[in-house]
Amino acid sequence: SQQGEEDPQALSIQEGENATMNCSYKTSINNLQWYRQNSGRGLVHLILIRSNEREKHSGRLRVTLDTSKKSSSLLITASRAADTASYFCATDESGYKLSFGAGTTVTVRA
Amino acid sequence: DAGVIQSPRHEVTEMGQEVTLRCKPISGHDYLFWYRQTMMRGLELLIYFNNNVPIDDSGMPEDRFSAKMPNASFSTLKIQPSEPRDSAVYFCASSLVGGGNQPQHFGDGTRLSIL
Repeated sequence: SQQGEEDPQALSIQEGENATMNCSYKTSINNLQWYRQNSGRGLVHLILIRSNEREKHSGRLRVTLDTSKKSSSLLITASRAADTASYFCATDESGYKLSFGAGTTVTVRA
Repeated sequence: DAGVIQSPRHEVTEMGQEVTLRCKPISGHDYLFWYRQTMMRGLELLIYFNNNVPIDDSGMPEDRFSAKMPNASFSTLKIQPSEPRDSAVYFCASSLVGGGNQPQHFGDGTRLSIL
């Protein structure tokens, strides 16, 4: 079952612009993770945010978490062509498993 | 360091044939996960192992699917007999510990086509 749901489903931006995508989930979580998947490849872990954290940064990535709204956002600043990929949020629903959302497909135009 | 290694990368076979997918996790990782990804259903967890022991196989779709982990460095996912609806990308992932407080490391998947 999919716990997280990303919004929008697809996003097209110009190189240099920022990209923002959101993730909503249904039940309480301890941690939320974001992953990137390039075409034809496996998922790559980007960032993990714990339920007691509100914001986290990693390079050009900024993740926020609002547990009261059961939502998270991923911001990619100054996007590059190499950021073209699908982005997934994943939540820990029953301890040892991750549930992944359907993903947001980001296209960065040169 | 070598990541998670899956083989084969692509498999095309006819309906009714047995299919075996292979995975080598990252050394030292105690958890191994098998996922299936399709456009319709997204990424689904099929089964996961802890220290080579299957813990939760509730995601395995049918008895035609089976998974084993004979040792810490090798796991297989078998489909017998295969059906066209099994066509998907199958991923293996491993992590140091279970739960959401550690990242999972994914292989590049096996793209399976059942004709």
